Amino acid sequence: QSVLTQPPSVSAAPGQKVTISCSGSSSDIGKNYVSWYQQLPGTAPKLLIYDNNKRPSGIPDRFSGSKSGTSATLGITGLQTGDEADYYCGTWDSSPRAGVFGGGTKLTVL
Amino acid sequence: QVQLQESGPGLVKPAETLSLTCTVSGGSISSSSHHWAWIRQAPGKGLEWIASVRYGGNSYFKSSLKSRLTISVDTSKNQFSLKLGSVTAADTAVYYCARQWIPHDHADYWGQGTLVTVSS
Repeated sequence: QSVLTQPPSVSAAPGQKVTISCSGSSSDIGKNYVSWYQQLPGTAPKLLIYDNNKRPSGIPDRFSGSKSGTSATLGITGLQTGDEADYYCGTWDSSPRAGVFGGGTKLTVL
Repeated sequence: QVQLQESGPGLVKPAETLSLTCTVSGGSISSSSHHWAWIRQAPGKGLEWIASVRYGGNSYFKSSLKSRLTISVDTSKNQFSLKLGSVTAADTAVYYCARQWIPHDHADYWGQGTLVTVSS
């Protein structure tokens, strides 16, 4: 059972926008920064967003992140078929001190 | 460019100890800015953080696995290692090693992952 709650799946048409939610608690998201990862089939996860809303070098600005209270959101605009992947949120849980991930959201670009 | 590479047996018998090593290149494992983490993914399931360590600092473990876990750093080889004892089929997973930034904990570099199957 994942500590952070994500919807199992989301879908949208090419060119459209989608958002993926990540819900936690006061000891994890409420106290710490959130990161987001993209996992294409058969590959290792890739960092998309860190510190709630920052993008690593090379990540297009179609990807965005936000955080409010004990929840975070990943936004993807201008959807492409290549965006089809599993997306995970992650953060630190201050009590007990450990990393935590969401259960993952499968994005389908119809 | 930082690279991480996992190594270890792909098959472990039930009740035995799973041992994995992650070799880091392009960066120092002695860095005070990073934790070195192990994250696993059971077949068809999501990511599960299991442990992390900082050279010269604290180690952190997933509560439910803590009694079975050991994590260590070898600066002479620029490696860190994981040992998980008394394994069962539920420990079958792809195991990833990753570099996490202190204090915000995002993992910016990952190994390719190694599948460990627990079976007799």
